[in-house]
Amino acid sequence: DSGVTQTPKHLITATGQRVTLRCSPRSGDLSVYWYQQSLDQGLQFLIQYYNGEERAKGNILERFSAQQFPDLHSELNLSSLELGDSALYFCASGTSDTDTQYFGPGTRLTVL
Amino acid sequence: GENVEQHPSTLSVQEGDSAVIKCTYSDSASNYFPWYKQELGKRPQLIIDIRSNVGEKKDQRIAVTLNKTAKHFSLHITETQPEDSAVYFCAASEYFSRNQFYFGTGTSLTVIP
Repeated sequence: DSGVTQTPKHLITATGQRVTLRCSPRSGDLSVYWYQQSLDQGLQFLIQYYNGEERAKGNILERFSAQQFPDLHSELNLSSLELGDSALYFCASGTSDTDTQYFGPGTRLTVL
Repeated sequence: GENVEQHPSTLSVQEGDSAVIKCTYSDSASNYFPWYKQELGKRPQLIIDIRSNVGEKKDQRIAVTLNKTAKHFSLHITETQPEDSAVYFCAASEYFSRNQFYFGTGTSLTVIP
């Protein structure tokens, strides 16, 4: 157990809908990273937050947005969902003085 | 930006043999190189990492080597066991500057008993 929690574990929804994925970082970690992993694919970096502010942006679609709250938990919002958005979504957290990222268990999103 | 290439994409070895996975990176500013192991349906887990001021690091049966000049780093697993079967990802990061991780495409390792 990495100490990073993600909810929900599974999410099944329909095309065109909107969902919110939640991540709580390890105690003391200020950074949260979001990744998308499609079937048989690698990890695609979406976005990073550090202490409430956006730090880096990767291949994140305009239909997706994220934020980090004062208590450091983060939410990833996915809207106008398409079949191709079906994937595992991981968040990872890290401290400011170490490079190591610790991954959460992931949220499996299925868009029907 | 950084580009990380990983080879091979699949690797099968007999139990007890060694396995080597190689990654190359493009940005000479990258200074941190972790390796993650991901079992089917589970989270990636850090197994070993190396920083650019070190050429080699070992942890029991796992070792990582880094060649900064050639911009490549490798994961070595010795005396492989069936439980080593998983997908392995390398990554590169320029920490304290961009703090963005670039992952390789993964290597699916199968250890045959």
